[in-house]
Amino acid sequence: AQSVAQPEDQVNVAEGNPLTVKCTYSVSGNPYLFWYVQYPNRGLQFLLKYITGDNLVKGSYGFEAEFNKSQTSFHLKKPSALVSDSALYFCAVRPPYSSASKIIFGSGTRLSIRP
Amino acid sequence: GAGVSQTPSNKVTEKGKYVELRCDPISGHTALYWYRQSLGQGPEFLIYFQGTGAADDSGLPNDRFFAVRPEGSVSTLKIQRTERGDSAVYLCASSLVGGPQETQYFGPGTRLLVL
Repeated sequence: AQSVAQPEDQVNVAEGNPLTVKCTYSVSGNPYLFWYVQYPNRGLQFLLKYITGDNLVKGSYGFEAEFNKSQTSFHLKKPSALVSDSALYFCAVRPPYSSASKIIFGSGTRLSIRP
Repeated sequence: GAGVSQTPSNKVTEKGKYVELRCDPISGHTALYWYRQSLGQGPEFLIYFQGTGAADDSGLPNDRFFAVRPEGSVSTLKIQRTERGDSAVYLCASSLVGGPQETQYFGPGTRLLVL
């Protein structure tokens, strides 16, 4: 079965420190991987995606993610956290075959950045 | 340009009533998706439209749920005989042509509360 796991319900980081939000996946073949962010009472905003190529993907707001095929992981990272990064983050996977229309989301990780 | 819009932003209804939720995708996007997000969970796929037709409705939970997209643009999600368990945020997303590599852009959602 295809799935995405975000093992941490919440991550707490001090402003200015690096942050990591973990994601692992289980998908046949080479998946397409996504990160989305959700602010209160707002829809999901796209951050970045991995399709192919360089394992380190850079996205919006200074975020980046590293695809690791051997560990089936796609962790989200940022070198220096901002208070405004506090939000709910979702990792998602889309199987690579063209008939796969849906995105499979993880359960989300709440990121809290303290001043 | 304008993003995905959804109306209403909030809907309160009574058990057994009928509701319609509207989605207006990004102009020019032929692919449209509906997801449902329950409290504390990631979004779950409901249905995918390619143009006017439902290409994948495997996520609809039962026959009380139905969606249309008659002119290939605006879509309406219809729920008959609503139940308290239908309470959730209903998210709509669109993408250019529906390929698995494409980014899906989400609207702000409709928060449905069934009393």
